[in-house]
Amino acid sequence: AQKITQTQPGMFVQEKEAVTLDCTYDTSDQSYGLFWYKQPSSGEMIFLIYQGSYDEQNATEGRYSLNFQKARKSANLVISASQLGDSAMYFCAMREGTRSTDKLIFGTGTRLQVFP
Amino acid sequence: GAGVSQTPSNKVTEKGKYVELRCDPISGHTALYWYRQSLGQGPEFLIYFQGTGAADDSGLPNDRFFAVRPEGSVSTLKIQRTERGDSAVYLCASSSGLITDTQYFGPGTRLTVL
Repeated sequence: AQKITQTQPGMFVQEKEAVTLDCTYDTSDQSYGLFWYKQPSSGEMIFLIYQGSYDEQNATEGRYSLNFQKARKSANLVISASQLGDSAMYFCAMREGTRSTDKLIFGTGTRLQVFP
Repeated sequence: GAGVSQTPSNKVTEKGKYVELRCDPISGHTALYWYRQSLGQGPEFLIYFQGTGAADDSGLPNDRFFAVRPEGSVSTLKIQRTERGDSAVYLCASSSGLITDTQYFGPGTRLTVL
């Protein structure tokens, strides 16, 4: 069964510094997608970045990049130049490659706190 | 607005009552998903609609939970005989339905069963 593991319950980073949030996954599928979402205290899940299993280059979206290491089954999120507004819960998720089942499987999340 | 909307934002009910939670997806999105998020956990899949039909309802915990999407747009999650363990945030998401597309989430409904 597919599984997402986020081993860091909480992380602290100083404003303007970079931070890496870890995510490992387990699947026997060849085709899958990996996502990162941000959940501020308001509760809404905000999409940040996507990486397909066949993508050869690491995904980047502004200050967010995904360090995808397929052989190690890891998909770490890197946030550069942290801002106070980055303080939130961050969830890694995986979508199975089977067309008939389009659900996301989420990890337990990492709470990031950015301090001045 | 252009995003996914959910109503109500908060719902408090008593054990044994019936509740309905509504989701209005992004216009034109054919795929709609319901997830449940308990305190301190990531969201857990409940059900997925492609158009009007439930393509995958494997996450519904038991037969007290039911969801419909009669016209392929708005969806309603229905919970009968609510239990205290049903207390959670219920999240709705929508996507264009393509296998590589992103799911966009609404703000959620916080359900509290007393």
